[in-house]
Amino acid sequence: NAGVTQTPKFRILKIGQSMTLQCAQDMNHNYMYWYRQDPGMGLKLIYYSVGAGITDKGEVPNGYNVSRSTTEDFPLRLELAAPSQTSVYFCASSYSGRATDTQYFGPGTRLTVL
Amino acid sequence: DQQVKQNSPSLSVQEGRISILNCDYTNSMFDYFLWYKKYPAEGPTFLISISSIKDKNEDGRFTVFLNKSAKHLSLHIVPSQPGDSAVYFCAASAYNNNDMRFGAGTRLTVKP
Repeated sequence: NAGVTQTPKFRILKIGQSMTLQCAQDMNHNYMYWYRQDPGMGLKLIYYSVGAGITDKGEVPNGYNVSRSTTEDFPLRLELAAPSQTSVYFCASSYSGRATDTQYFGPGTRLTVL
Repeated sequence: DQQVKQNSPSLSVQEGRISILNCDYTNSMFDYFLWYKKYPAEGPTFLISISSIKDKNEDGRFTVFLNKSAKHLSLHIVPSQPGDSAVYFCAASAYNNNDMRFGAGTRLTVKP
């Protein structure tokens, strides 16, 4: 099993550009999550999904969009990149949404917006 | 609004000694607590957890202690090994809630 995979590993964007961060999992997990980690801060939840076709906002959703057309994939879209979106982005998945259910994280995407 | 705080950005200990990482939380609704470990260029991986009905949970060299009245938890690693060198995140959640809140992390360095 590859677990949770993310592409790209690194990306530099100019202000106003758009991009999609890809995330895939092969564990047949229902729940998937997107987090961002700013320097010196903890991970913050951007969006999550409880299954194909169902998504919901987390703590910091502004400036992002998500979709979940399949169980495996959960892409994160930045439409108009801003310097405030410079961060490391982590995708995660879990079988259920209970806190007791382990979340498995991908290796992250480091995004810089200049 | 930092609901989970790790006030020590870094900690350095000698191999074989005990490492103690601390975490404080403010939200009294939190009833499940987790520690994640993160190596460079990797995602966080789950290490150990504790529910609010317990005050201690042990897994090998790792023990988590919870003091609900002080809203404080700690992770003890004994004996510490160089391979334990990583960033450790404390996280908290309500039991049936997938909105997990993370601390900023503590970078542990274990010196040979």
